[in-house]
Amino acid sequence: QQQVKQSPQSLIVQKGGIPIINCAYENTAFDYFPWYQQFPGKGPALLIAIRPDVSEKKEGRFTISFNKSAKQFSLHIMDSQPGDSATYFCAASLYNFNKFYFGSGTKLNVKP
Amino acid sequence: DVKVTQSSRYLVKRTGEKVFLECVQDMDHENMFWYRQDPGLGLRLIYFSYDVKMKEKGDIPEGYSVSREKKERFSLILESASTNQTSMYLCASSLGRRQETQYFGPGTRLLVL
Repeated sequence: QQQVKQSPQSLIVQKGGIPIINCAYENTAFDYFPWYQQFPGKGPALLIAIRPDVSEKKEGRFTISFNKSAKQFSLHIMDSQPGDSATYFCAASLYNFNKFYFGSGTKLNVKP
Repeated sequence: DVKVTQSSRYLVKRTGEKVFLECVQDMDHENMFWYRQDPGLGLRLIYFSYDVKMKEKGDIPEGYSVSREKKERFSLILESASTNQTSMYLCASSLGRRQETQYFGPGTRLLVL
């Protein structure tokens, strides 16, 4: 049983578009939600993370939106570029505990 | 810069062989993790360790064991490799017990024939 459900599995957008990747969770005890980015041949790397006391967090062109009541969070990539083509994973963890539950991943292709 | 290295990028083994995957981190991190990555399933935690000689089962420990004799090194062992263990294996490390960033190695792609 997957603790964090991620959609879509793959996504194709044109350069400049705004891809949106969605994640949902059931365990209300989760209180840390990171997103990891993985390029082909590399391990995942932290992109951005949020805690449930805020509804939105921006870092450059990347924004996390968080809806605590719906138990959902999403990643938006503004003005997407071909260099953003990668696989994105959402994750969740419990307070004071470094075990992450990862989503199934979204393969993003940004076309020039 | 944190560096997590894995001993092999690609491995081909036969069914029934004993397989060792090695991971080394150079930042004195307390925590180390082994995941496997499969298409459509994301990253699934196999085992993790919060300290030397300490290990805890993750979500899919069956068929695997681990060893952590030194703080910087975490080994994943497949006692008798099977074809359903063909996968990408990722090692990660993090600084402490709190919700720290996990730093991943480049992965080992294992093919079991």
